Amino acid sequence: DARVTQTPRHKVTEMGQEVTMRCQPILGHNTVFWYRQTMMQGLELLAYFRNRAPLDDSGMPKDRFSAEMPDATLATLKIQPSEPRDSAVYFCASGFRRASADSNQPQHFGDGTRLSIL
Amino acid sequence: KNQVEQSPQSLIILEGKNCTLQCNYTVSPFSNLRWYKQDTGRGPVSLTIMTFSENTKSNGRYTATLDADTKQSSLHITASQLSDSASYICVVKEGGSGSSNTGKLIFGQGTTLQVKP
Repeated sequence: DARVTQTPRHKVTEMGQEVTMRCQPILGHNTVFWYRQTMMQGLELLAYFRNRAPLDDSGMPKDRFSAEMPDATLATLKIQPSEPRDSAVYFCASGFRRASADSNQPQHFGDGTRLSIL
Repeated sequence: KNQVEQSPQSLIILEGKNCTLQCNYTVSPFSNLRWYKQDTGRGPVSLTIMTFSENTKSNGRYTATLDADTKQSSLHITASQLSDSASYICVVKEGGSGSSNTGKLIFGQGTTLQVKP
């Protein structure tokens, strides 16, 4: 089965350091989502790309977070500088959506990057 | 405010028993409702997706129902197995037409199910 691949699976670093998380979406999918999951907040959408273009990043702290898709096979989420409150599990998901139609297709999630900022 | 509320927060049942998880939502306009299963340490996996016109959908031992009038959904698990132990997340997608179609997903907090032998 095709899967969304996220690296690294775990990351521990000190506050102030730059963190880069990577995601390889399923081949052929044209939408990519970044989520953050914590015990307190559950799953929160951070950013959403379609055909590599950012469509919604309103859930992302702009001053320290940035999301990009350098090409169709790679999405990145960067935090600089990192803070202890950024500790969470970050999920990437991909799917397929046509621009003119509302899609009922599921999003396929990776297994996440568990981030701990000390 | 668009919200998705799930109950119970957690549930323990014996292997072989049935159980039902609840989801109430206030999302409007509505596009579809999804149930995801999330095993510990893994990403969520889609179980069912239901649109406004569908009131029941099954996926093996999982059966989801949707009442769009009362804005309620349930996920029924039949003959539970140890592998059903997981968090179950109800997700509602915002709808609308044209530029008002945000397609935004509103997540519930999840129900943690533990199946004991």
